[in-house]
Amino acid sequence: GDSVTQMEGPVTLSEEAFLTINCTYTATGYPSLFWYVQYPGEGLQLLLKATKADDKGSNKGFEATYRKETTSFHLEKGSVQVSDSAVYFCALTPNAGNMLTFGGGTRLMVKP
Amino acid sequence: SQTIHQWPATLVQPVGSPLSLECTVEGTSNPNLYWYRQAAGRGLQLLFYSVGIGQISSEVPQNLSASRPQDRQFILSSKKLLLSDSGFYLCAWSAGRRQTEAFFGQGTRLTVV
Repeated sequence: GDSVTQMEGPVTLSEEAFLTINCTYTATGYPSLFWYVQYPGEGLQLLLKATKADDKGSNKGFEATYRKETTSFHLEKGSVQVSDSAVYFCALTPNAGNMLTFGGGTRLMVKP
Repeated sequence: SQTIHQWPATLVQPVGSPLSLECTVEGTSNPNLYWYRQAAGRGLQLLFYSVGIGQISSEVPQNLSASRPQDRQFILSSKKLLLSDSGFYLCAWSAGRRQTEAFFGQGTRLTVV
């Protein structure tokens, strides 16, 4: 079945550091890929998405590129802020359906 | 625009008591509806999903049940709560077409004591 693997956290960075959170997936065909963010005590919010190979999703300074050849969708941000501290989830929906499969989540802590 | 409401935000219940969490969606029709659970420090576990009224699929056998009495209403229930039912419960919806994202409610923090 479909699966999503993302790096375990917590990831601790200083403000203005570069962020990468790795995400790889296993799925047949061409799934859609998502990054969600969860701030403390809240539900999940869609951060960005990509629906086909080589698409780049971007939002709030975050970017991720759909790499079919490496089955990856790594999240990056050039300069993190304390307000980016949250849990980040990589997810996919399969080509033939719309059931989300989530990775285990990565906690990011940004220190001033 | 579409909105999703989930309540209550927090709940403390004794072991053996019943549970009812409610989720409603506005601004869309025939959504797919989902219940997820997130244990402390863990990822998301899909509990139930529904593609229509009265249609419920269970992903994990457990002490919980779900119902969809109306198109945009999704209820999570238990007859007798266990300590292990504690967690953060999230309701979500997605459009009924392929490859669309899901939108989440604010969650319910359930503590069983």
